[in-house]
Amino acid sequence: AQSVTQPDIHITVSEGASLELRCNYSYGATPYLFWYVQSPGQGLQLLLKYFSGDTLVQGIKGFEAEFKRSQSSFNLRKPSVHWSDAAEYFCAVGAGGTSYGKLTFGQGTILTVHP
Amino acid sequence: NAGVTQTPKFRVLKTGQSMTLLCAQDMNHEYMYWYRQDPGMGLRLIHYSVGEGTTAKGEVPDGYNVSRLKKQNFLLGLESAAPSQTSVYFCASTRPAGWYTEAFFGQGTRLTVV
Repeated sequence: AQSVTQPDIHITVSEGASLELRCNYSYGATPYLFWYVQSPGQGLQLLLKYFSGDTLVQGIKGFEAEFKRSQSSFNLRKPSVHWSDAAEYFCAVGAGGTSYGKLTFGQGTILTVHP
Repeated sequence: NAGVTQTPKFRVLKTGQSMTLLCAQDMNHEYMYWYRQDPGMGLRLIHYSVGEGTTAKGEVPDGYNVSRLKKQNFLLGLESAAPSQTSVYFCASTRPAGWYTEAFFGQGTRLTVV
């Protein structure tokens, strides 16, 4: 069975500082990997996705993530955080075929940004 | 396009009452899903559907039923609500294998069972 672990429940950074959110997954084949962001009281917005090819993927809002197969990781990064980035971030793994696109989510990481 | 629309957005139920949550998508997606979100647990899959007239159980299906009578709609029912079903419910849809991109989510339904 697939699983996702986000080791950090809560991260606090200062505005302008760099950010890295960790994500480790367990999946038997090549996974589809996603990062979603959720602002308070809102739905989930896709930041970026990895299906195949280049292991460094660019997303919206200046975010990027790197797929490292040897470490089973898909960490999210941003070089300079803005106050509007404060939200909860979810890493998810999915697959096509007979998995029918079902997603397994990590527990989420809450990001607080200090001015 | 509206994308994925959930109705209602908020609801308070008494223990034992029943209700139906409606999800509608206008993207002609084959696959649809119901997830629940609880603090510290991420989102967990309740039920899903791979096409009109078909449904299947996910990770946490107990206490819920679903129906997919029309391709664009996916209904989630609670026959006898329990406080443990207090949660935020999200519907999502995506295209089938071979065309798979990502799941599109609705805005969520916040349900409180008292």
